[in-house]
Amino acid sequence: AQSVTQLGSHVSVSEGALVLLRCNYSSSVPPYLFWYVQYPNQGLQLLLKYTSAATLVKGINGFEAEFKKSETSFHLTKPSAHMSDAAEYFCAVSAPQGAQKLVFGQGTRLTINP
Amino acid sequence: SAVISQKPSRDICQRGTSLTIQCQVDSQVTMMFWYRQQPGQSLTLIATANQGSEATYESGFVIDKFPISRPNLTFSTLTVSNMSPEDSSIYLCSVAPDRNYGYTFGSGTRLTVV
Repeated sequence: AQSVTQLGSHVSVSEGALVLLRCNYSSSVPPYLFWYVQYPNQGLQLLLKYTSAATLVKGINGFEAEFKKSETSFHLTKPSAHMSDAAEYFCAVSAPQGAQKLVFGQGTRLTINP
Repeated sequence: SAVISQKPSRDICQRGTSLTIQCQVDSQVTMMFWYRQQPGQSLTLIATANQGSEATYESGFVIDKFPISRPNLTFSTLTVSNMSPEDSSIYLCSVAPDRNYGYTFGSGTRLTVV
């Protein structure tokens, strides 16, 4: 079975500062990993994904994440935060084979301070 | 990636009644997934719907409460039955025609039970 844990339900950074949202996974098989963003009163948008290719994954809006098998982590980063980045971020995991369901972490609310 | 049309986008319902949510996909997909997002919470998988077979429900969700239909490869419905205020949530459908490209989500149905 797969699961993810997002460390920190709420992260606050200043505009222009580094954004770091933490995600650790648990999986009995090499996982597929995803980061989604949800803006207020909107649906889910895929930021980036890891599907066993390059371990450093670049996504939309300047975000990137690195798959570290030794640390079972898939942390999301952005070098310089923008006010428009304020949203809820979800890390999710699925198995490449078999049951294809996507399992979500608890979510991290990102606040950007001017 | 696939495009999902989900409706209704929102509804306010009386307790004890039922609501059926529809999801239409612009391409054929084997599996469709139904999620619930309670206020301020993450997404929880309700069930996986395969065309031509009964849906597979996750722990804590039962068919009598959340019956699902999957009449063809592009359409599915989720019914929330005998509603109570605790059912007030956002309900989302999702597909993954090719997980290498991630999972696509409908825009969600915001349900309020009064």
